[in-house]
Order: sequence, then structure tokens, then C-alpha cells
Amino acid sequence: AQTVTQSQPEMSVQEAETVTLSCTYDTSESDYYLFWYKQPPSRQMILVIRQEAYKQQNATENRFSVNFQKAAKSFSLKISDSQLGDAAMYFCAYRWRGTASKLTFGTGTRLQVTL
Amino acid sequence: DSGVTQTPKHLITATGQRVTLRCSPRSGDLSVYWYQQSLDQGLQFLIQYYNGEERAKGNILERFSAQQFPDLHSELNLSSLELGDSALYFCASSVGGEANEKLFFGSGTQLSVL
Repeated sequence: AQTVTQSQPEMSVQEAETVTLSCTYDTSESDYYLFWYKQPPSRQMILVIRQEAYKQQNATENRFSVNFQKAAKSFSLKISDSQLGDAAMYFCAYRWRGTASKLTFGTGTRLQVTL
Repeated sequence: DSGVTQTPKHLITATGQRVTLRCSPRSGDLSVYWYQQSLDQGLQFLIQYYNGEERAKGNILERFSAQQFPDLHSELNLSSLELGDSALYFCASSVGGEANEKLFFGSGTQLSVL
């Protein structure tokens, strides 16, 4: 079974600084997708960034980028120039490419952004 | 606004009761997913439907059932409720249900079982 582990329950970053959230996963599959979702206090889950396992290039979306290490099964999220609006729960998620696959989430990291 | 509508936003009920949670997917999305978010178990996948048919099943209890109707809205039925069923229930939708698709989540239904 696939598992996703986020070992940092809470992180804190100062506004305008950079923070990295860690995620590791376990799978025997070679073709899959990885995601980072953000859950602000409004509770709604919002996709931040997506990575395809067969692509070596790390995905980037504006201030958000990932460090994808397939061999190490590691998928960290880097937030640059942190803003107050980045404060939220961040969930790492995995989904195998096959049909009837499910999106498996980690336990989340709560990010605080301070002035 | 994700375009996914969930009703009701809050639900308070008693043990042993039955409730129905409703989800309207984004316009054009054929696939609907249900997730349960609780403090002790995190975000758990329950079930996925694609165009009215069940596609994938996760850790859904036998007391729970779901369906997707011809107009693509979905309902999650929870029966014989227990205290441990208290959680935030999310519905999400995507275009076709493929693994690489972005899921659009609703705001959830907060269920409290007293």
C-alpha cells in the first residue's frame, strides 16, 4: 500500500523568507503523480503544485517549487518570499497512474507565517 | 470558489441516526470523490464515481454508501452514526477521473455526532 509521510507537524517562517516542507512516500510503482494541496482556515483544499514522476524536471508555480528525488522517494515543497496568505495546512499527496487509483494524503504540516 | 457545492455546511445529529450529504460537482466534471477528514485519521479517501458508476473504493465503512445521479450530483449516506463518525466530509470533482487531474474540492460538510 502506498503511504505518504510528512514528518513536520508544524513549521514557522517569517514573511519574505523561504521555507521548505518535507514529504516522503512509499510505493512500488514507477509511474505516479505527486501533489501539494493547501488548506487555509476556510477549510477548502486548493492544489498548489503537481509533479509527474516520469519528469525529472522539478515543477514550479510562481513562488512555489518542489524538489523531487525519485530514488529517495522524497518530494519537498519550497515556498519563497513567504506571505501572510501562505499560512495554512499543507498536504502532500500521491496518486498512482493506473485506473481506479486513489489520491493518498499525508498528515499535513501547519505553516505559520510571522511578521 | 472551486465550483463544487456541498450541502449542508454543518450537520449536528445523534448517535444511531442517518444523514445524507450532497455534492454538486463543477460544471463539466464527470468524476466525484468523497473524503473524510478527522483529527485522528487525517484525510481518508472514501469512494470515487465516474459518470454514475463506482470507480474506486477506499476505506468506506459498510454503514456508509454513496451514489452519483444522472445529473452528476452525488450523495453520501451515513447510517447508524457513531461518535467516531464526527468529521469534515469533503467532496471533490475532476473532469475525467484520471490520476493526473486536478481535484477541485468543496468546502466540506462538518458532521458532529452527539
